[in-house]
Amino acid sequence: DQQVKQNSPSLSVQEGRISILNCDYTNSMFDYFLWYKKYPAEGPTFLISISSIKDKNEDGRFTVFLNKSAKHLSLHIVPSQPGDSAVYFCAARGGATNKLIFGTGTLLAVQP
Amino acid sequence: IAGITQAPTSQILAAGRRMTLRCTQDMRHNAMYWYRQDLGLGLRLIHYSNTAGTTGKGEVPDGYSVSRANTDDFPLTLASAVPSQTSVYFCASSIEPNSPLHFGNGTRLTVT
Repeated sequence: DQQVKQNSPSLSVQEGRISILNCDYTNSMFDYFLWYKKYPAEGPTFLISISSIKDKNEDGRFTVFLNKSAKHLSLHIVPSQPGDSAVYFCAARGGATNKLIFGTGTLLAVQP
Repeated sequence: IAGITQAPTSQILAAGRRMTLRCTQDMRHNAMYWYRQDLGLGLRLIHYSNTAGTTGKGEVPDGYSVSRANTDDFPLTLASAVPSQTSVYFCASSIEPNSPLHFGNGTRLTVT
């Protein structure tokens, strides 16, 4: 049972445009959400996070939005750059174990 | 450069053999984790350790064991490897259990 879902395995965007990556979760006890970025042959690196007491967090070109009622979060990258091409994982924490649960990942390709 | 070192980077292993994946961090982080990454399943937590001397089970602990004798090292052992354990294994650490994770570059394991 996948508690954190990324329904789009891949996304292709033109350089300079906005990239929107989506993530849905099922556990209402989750209270902290993170996005990680992963390049081939490297480990994931932390990108941005948001607590459930907020609905938006911004860091440079990256903004994460949280809609608690819909159990949905999204990562916006504006403007997208070719170096943003990577696999993006969303992750959530909270509930009984309080350990990070990851989604399945979305491969973003930013075309020059 | 401070970080997490995983060894080996890749390994081909015959089914039934014993294997230990090594993980060392030099950041003095209290918590450490082992994840496996599989296509379509994302990153799944195998075992974790909130502090030296303690360990806990994650989402998929069966067939794996860990130990945390000191702060820096967190080896993962497959007592008798099976083909379903073919995966990419990532070790991670965090300052505290609820802090963002820092990942190593992974070990690609193939069990034949």
